[in-house]
Amino acid sequence: EVQLVESGGGLVQPGGSLRLSCAASGFTFSSYWMSWVRQAPGKGLEWVANIKQDGSEKYYVDSVKGRFTISRDNAKNSLYLQMNSLRAEDTAVYYCARDRGAYFVAAAGNFDYWGQGTLVTVSS
Amino acid sequence: DIQMTQSPSTLSASVGDRVTITCRASQSISSWLAWYQQKPGKAPKLLIYKASSLESGVPSRFSGSGSGTEFTLTISSLQPDDFATYYCQQYNSYEFTFGPGTKVDIK
Repeated sequence: EVQLVESGGGLVQPGGSLRLSCAASGFTFSSYWMSWVRQAPGKGLEWVANIKQDGSEKYYVDSVKGRFTISRDNAKNSLYLQMNSLRAEDTAVYYCARDRGAYFVAAAGNFDYWGQGTLVTVSS
Repeated sequence: DIQMTQSPSTLSASVGDRVTITCRASQSISSWLAWYQQKPGKAPKLLIYKASSLESGVPSRFSGSGSGTEFTLTISSLQPDDFATYYCQQYNSYEFTFGPGTKVDIK
C-alpha cells in the first residue's frame, strides 16, 4: 500500500525556518518525481515545488523561489522541504504528493497519491 | 503563468442529478488537465488525468472531456459520497496551477 506521511509542521515566527519531511513507503520511491502542494486555510490548492527522481531537476512556484528548497534522500525514501524566511502567507497545510507515472524523464505533473498533510502556521 | 478558472464556484444538487463543472485555461494546455475531489480535512483524490482518462478505482459515473482551453467534469448520477469540492489542474507547463474549486453541496 502506498503511503506518504508528512511531518515537521508547526508554529513559526515570521522570518523563521522550518523543515518538512515526507516518509514514503509501499512503492519504489526512487522511480518517481515528487511534489509539495499546499493549501492555505479555507483556500484552494497551490503547487509549490517538485523534484526529479535523482534530484537533478527541481522546480518552484515563483512565490517561494529563493526561500524554499526541495530535496530527497532515496536511500531513506524521504522527501524534504526546507522553508526559510517564512511569511504569514506561507501558512497552509503542506501535502507531499507522488507524480502519476514512474520513470518519466519529465514530470507527469498530476498526482495520484497524497499524504495527509502537515500544518505550517507563520505567526508572531 | 497559466490561470485556471472554474464555474460555478458552488453547485447545489440532489442525489441522482447529472452534474457538470467547467474549467477554463488562460491559454491552450492541450489535454494536460487533471480533476481532483477533496473532502473537508482530507487530501485531494485524483479522479481524471489527461482530460478524459479515468484514474484506476474511480467510479465510471465520473467523466472528463475537453481540450485546448475548455474542459468539463461530469458526474452522471450524483451519489451521497460525491458531495465535495472539485479542482481542476493544468500540468502543461510550469508552474502547475489549480482552479479555485467548485463546491458541490446538497440541495
